[in-house]
Amino acid sequence: EDQVTQSPEALRLQEGESSSLNCSYTVSGLRGLFWYRQDPGKGPEFLFTLYSAGEEKEKERLKATLTKKESFLHITAPKPEDSATYLCAVQAGAETSGSRLTFGEGTQLTVNP
Amino acid sequence: GAVVSQHPSRVICKSGTSVKIECRSLDFQATTMFWYRQFPKQSLMLMATSNEGSKATYEQGVEKDKFLINHASLTLSTLTVTSAHPEDSSFYICSAGLAGTQNTEAFFGQGTRLTVV
Repeated sequence: EDQVTQSPEALRLQEGESSSLNCSYTVSGLRGLFWYRQDPGKGPEFLFTLYSAGEEKEKERLKATLTKKESFLHITAPKPEDSATYLCAVQAGAETSGSRLTFGEGTQLTVNP
Repeated sequence: GAVVSQHPSRVICKSGTSVKIECRSLDFQATTMFWYRQFPKQSLMLMATSNEGSKATYEQGVEKDKFLINHASLTLSTLTVTSAHPEDSSFYICSAGLAGTQNTEAFFGQGTRLTVV
């Protein structure tokens, strides 16, 4: 059974204070690891997909990295508007399973001005 | 990115009535759509996989007679919560896959907040 564990559950940062969110996973046949941002009362907003160990992707203040066991979402000099819940999800198994994702519990990030 | 539209965004219904939620892929065709449920401060839990032109596949513990899924076209899937009860109150979210060469990426609707009173 695919498992995804995110840590910490909640993180409070001061504006400009860089940090990292962790996503550990146990899957059989990883096809992709996804990071989403979710604001309260909204659906998840796609951020990144990582496909293989060693891959990195960046978008503004966010950088996602992937190893064979975990992924990190690095936030550099965060701003209050970065406050949200960040979700990690994995896609595994045969391609016939489509876009079925297994989600972690999320990290609730709060950035104080 | 691809756009998935979900309607309505909020609905309040009386206990015992049925509610239909629509999920549309606006600028692409989706042979597969997924329905998730999310309780407060919890992550998304997959309820069922909706395949165009065939029966949906439900996750263990999800009642198929209570959560009716129809995927009649390549751009529309509907979830009907039948005989809703207060415990069905939750945030329901759909997603649709954007097919690539080897991997697929999922894009999500805005979600539907269902409150059963």
